Amino acid sequence: GAGVSQSPSNKVTEKGKDVELRCDPISGHTALYWYRQSLGQGLEFLIYFQGNSAPDKSGLPSDRFSAERTGGSVSTLTIQRTQQEDSAVYLCASSLEGESTEAFFGQGTRLTVV
Amino acid sequence: AQSVTQLDSQVPVFEEAPVELRCNYSSSVSVYLFWYVQYPNQGLQLLLKYLSGSTLVKGINGFEAEFNKSQTSFHLRKPSVHISDTAEYFCAVSVSRSNTGKLIFGQGTTLQVKP
Repeated sequence: GAGVSQSPSNKVTEKGKDVELRCDPISGHTALYWYRQSLGQGLEFLIYFQGNSAPDKSGLPSDRFSAERTGGSVSTLTIQRTQQEDSAVYLCASSLEGESTEAFFGQGTRLTVV
Repeated sequence: AQSVTQLDSQVPVFEEAPVELRCNYSSSVSVYLFWYVQYPNQGLQLLLKYLSGSTLVKGINGFEAEFNKSQTSFHLRKPSVHISDTAEYFCAVSVSRSNTGKLIFGQGTTLQVKP
């Protein structure tokens, strides 16, 4: 595709429910990143996938958050037992491998927990 | 640990006036520096980046930034702004040259260009 695609663009869920957010990176990009953008915390790194290497999960805020990347392409971010403080815009980015490469961001999924 | 401080949360400016958006960083290791722009309801777009070499970096849409190691700053400038430059601007650092998508962001500066 032309850019990083995220779905859904908006998601409203009830507190305590699980949600899945999807990211389709740019074709051929081996690196994929998830970020969270919230009013109180700004932009925070969550998790990073690079090829077949173990993901860098150092930014995940709790064990309710997890992510998978299947076949080196599509990624799913899962939030279990959602809380109101999970309300934010979740951004996905992808890039080529190597030095000096640019990360391209999707438009994000706006998650509202009610 | 690394951190990024954007000194102004909002910068109002008139069209065709010059603007400077300030960014300071803190790090005990070498960093690579970026400015991203976010238009309403859109993702982030890279404006420019500093990895090495000349400390004056030119980016898209007429923006430029200067890396100042002694002052740990990376301020963004444009000599003449346009209404379409109204957006939120984020300064960011990476500590890895080969992983420049893992970023620490500042809190953002909203640039409001008035006619």
